[in-house]
Amino acid sequence: QVQLVESGGGVVQPGGSLRLSCAASGFSFSNYGMHWVRQAPGKGLEWVSFIRFDESSRYYADSVRGRFTISRDNPKNTLYMQMDSLRTEDTAVYFCAIESPSGDYLTDWGLGTLVTVSS
Amino acid sequence: SYVLTQPPSVSVAPGRTAGITCGGNNIGNKNVHWYQQKPGQAPVLVIYYDSDRPSGIPERFSGSNSGNTATLTINRVEAGDEAEYYCQVWDSDSDHWVFGGGTQLTVL
Repeated sequence: QVQLVESGGGVVQPGGSLRLSCAASGFSFSNYGMHWVRQAPGKGLEWVSFIRFDESSRYYADSVRGRFTISRDNPKNTLYMQMDSLRTEDTAVYFCAIESPSGDYLTDWGLGTLVTVSS
Repeated sequence: SYVLTQPPSVSVAPGRTAGITCGGNNIGNKNVHWYQQKPGQAPVLVIYYDSDRPSGIPERFSGSNSGNTATLTINRVEAGDEAEYYCQVWDSDSDHWVFGGGTQLTVL
């Protein structure tokens, strides 16, 4: 069955960096686009970034463009998010999720990893 | 960018019908998807392309979309349906995936 396991979260000071990983299994990872979505404590879902299956396109929310970089390693079945110049407002649980084959929506999600930006 | 508006909360008695709305400019021209999220858990897709149900989602869940409003309808509501529900669209103008603010469904 599909499994997505995020890791790499933790506590970091403002201005710091962190790299998140999402280990995928149970499906053909190299054939699917992938997303990062975050949820600040007690708040709603916020889409963060998307990468196509072949890395031909990457998209970012305005709030993270220029600071976050999405990437993937298809042979390792792993999705990444490099997070630089972190701000307190980046504090959230970060989920990775699979893009539907036909596009538009997210079919399966991981359990998330918590990133806390605090001095 | 495109904005989706949901009511913060909806309350319904067990066995009754709950309707959760999602408003957006000409949202009827977009594909709307719905997710259920229970506390401490990952979101789960419950409706895609306005009204399709993924396998494993009860027939009690249905959706519609027209004009400026999409609606998630849950018939014969059960205690286990209590959760936060989010609508979502893909905005082709910005290449952004957009979520509504979420609606907390309370089963009385």
